[in-house]
Amino acid sequence: AQRVTQPEKLLSVFKGAPVELKCNYSYSGSPELFWYVQYSRQRLQLLLRHISRESIKGFTADLNKGETSFHLKKPFAQEEDSAMYYCALSGTYKYIFGTGTRLKVLA
Amino acid sequence: SQTIHQWPATLVQPVGSPLSLECTVEGTSNPNLYWYRQAAGRGLQLLFYSVGIGQISSEVPQNLSASRPQDRQFILSSKKLLLSDSGFYLCAWRYRGPLHFGNGTRLTVT
Repeated sequence: AQRVTQPEKLLSVFKGAPVELKCNYSYSGSPELFWYVQYSRQRLQLLLRHISRESIKGFTADLNKGETSFHLKKPFAQEEDSAMYYCALSGTYKYIFGTGTRLKVLA
Repeated sequence: SQTIHQWPATLVQPVGSPLSLECTVEGTSNPNLYWYRQAAGRGLQLLFYSVGIGQISSEVPQNLSASRPQDRQFILSSKKLLLSDSGFYLCAWRYRGPLHFGNGTRLTVT
């Protein structure tokens, strides 16, 4: 079965502290994994995809097939990073999301 | 460039009334189309997806249905709305890559 788990509903960190948003997945084939972000009153938008292996807004995510994880990391959180973050998994056609983690960066 | 249009932005409907939400995509051909419901604490729940005209896959058996009468048109419908159908509905498209979302429809069933 195709499944995405984000165990934390809310993560609060202080500005300048490291951030790690957890994502675990279940999929029998070779998945394509993504992180999406939704800022207040804005449309859901793509942040990262694992095949790109890039850093966007200081965020990175590495696919760990052994642990079936795709955690999102940033070494130094900024207040503007406060948003809702969703991990997503794409199979051949289905595209499913985790329940999301709200990140609050405190001044 | 590709764009996605979803309407209406907000809708208030009484229980038992019908529903029709429409989504259209411009600037691409043969996209995969998706309907999601977004609820606090439940993330984005995949409702339906379509890989071609007339092809609909249902993920959650419920009071809703979807249709794709044209390549770039995706419609979410209900014959009789329930209170539990209230929520925020998102349409999305993709073509070999990430999803692109519409602005969503806030549906309130009263």
